[in-house]
Amino acid sequence: EDKVVQSPLSLVVHEGDTVTLNCSYEVTNFRSLLWYKQEKKAPTFLFMLTSSGIEKKSGRLSSILDKKELSSILNITATQTGDSAIYLCAVEAAFNNAGNMLTFGGGTRLMVKP
Amino acid sequence: NAGVMQNPRHLVRRRGQEARLRCSPMKGHSHVYWYRQLPEEGLKFMVYLQKENIIDESGMPKERFSAEFPKEGPSILRIQQVVRGDSAAYFCASSPLHLTSANTGELFFGEGSRLTVL
Repeated sequence: EDKVVQSPLSLVVHEGDTVTLNCSYEVTNFRSLLWYKQEKKAPTFLFMLTSSGIEKKSGRLSSILDKKELSSILNITATQTGDSAIYLCAVEAAFNNAGNMLTFGGGTRLMVKP
Repeated sequence: NAGVMQNPRHLVRRRGQEARLRCSPMKGHSHVYWYRQLPEEGLKFMVYLQKENIIDESGMPKERFSAEFPKEGPSILRIQQVVRGDSAAYFCASSPLHLTSANTGELFFGEGSRLTVL
């Protein structure tokens, strides 16, 4: 059974801090790893990672995949209160020829205090 | 181009009643996924459907739950004889027709339907 584990479960920091969120996985037929940010509504897409060691960056957020260690990290620098959310990691695996399946981790709940 | 549309956004049912949640995927998307999110938890896969076919329902309870995605109209997640433990947010996501290496893997999520069972 495919498995995705995120840590920490929750995190409280102050504005300006840097945080690192972790995601580890065990899946067969790995295709990609995705990060989502979930505030009060729908999860919104952040990054998709397919290749090891290549950092993806968007503003203060960056992420990298380590296929050897079966893990990924999501970094947020100079955190702001608007970064407060649940960060979800999902791993995409090939599912026969009919499409791909996503398995989600339990999420990391980040709270950024002013 | 409208995104994934779910309705109702909020639904309140008493124990024993039926709940029907609807999801219209993005235009051109023929893959629909339903996820359940319990308070303080991540998204749990329930069922994966293509038009008129259930591809994988391994995450859906065997009893009381059913899903369909007809040729015309939205996908429907149906919960019969609801119990308090069914209270959760139910998210639908869609993706375009899988084209092997062209597939980006990105799912587009609706805003969810929050079910409360009294």
